[in-house]
Amino acid sequence: DAKTTQPPSMDCAEGRAANLPCNHSTISGNEYVYWYRQIHSQGPQYIIHGLKNNETNEMASLIITEDRKSSTLILPHATLRDTAVYYCIASSGSARQLTFGSGTQLTVLP
Amino acid sequence: DAGVTQSPTHLIKTRGQQVTLRCSPKSGHDTVSWYQQALGQGPQFIFQYYEEEERQRGNFPDRFSGHQFPNYSSELNVNALLLGDSALYLCASILLATGANYGYTFGSGTRLTVV
Repeated sequence: DAKTTQPPSMDCAEGRAANLPCNHSTISGNEYVYWYRQIHSQGPQYIIHGLKNNETNEMASLIITEDRKSSTLILPHATLRDTAVYYCIASSGSARQLTFGSGTQLTVLP
Repeated sequence: DAGVTQSPTHLIKTRGQQVTLRCSPKSGHDTVSWYQQALGQGPQFIFQYYEEEERQRGNFPDRFSGHQFPNYSSELNVNALLLGDSALYLCASILLATGANYGYTFGSGTRLTVV
């Protein structure tokens, strides 16, 4: 699976959009970009994934650049409950193992 | 709808002992993966079970073994415990046929402390 790079930490004001970047410059054509988050003392939670088109669900939006070398997870209206470590993972899907990096610690400030 | 259930939630063991952790996957899921998460780090893949067989394995020694039962539940066994085995052990499940279209569902984990 391709290596991903994320900033170690970010802050966001409550009610504002949180934009979390991820670089995956070596991603291959059959690899999806998955996002998970882990709230303290809980297991990771699946957020969203995409291959090359932008995706949106009830939790977030995923914007993937045309060359697929980077992506951005957008939480449109961050709340205090969105404070968590966010992981960006490149995987070929089909229930392949997930390779977690260090992730981005997002802190939503009141 | 119950998600992934893991037991016990916390466990303290002594070096050299053996431990068994248990996982019940989300209803409708047939594949179970186990991860180890040391403090301050991301989860690391241990192995995955499907159709009662180990299908994928990460870089973990043979002291780590597992089992999947006909009802899809799974166990993780660790022999000859080391202090370094202290970690949060996470179980994740998925329906294999939809693997590319959905994410894994994770349990809340078992916190293992080796003293």
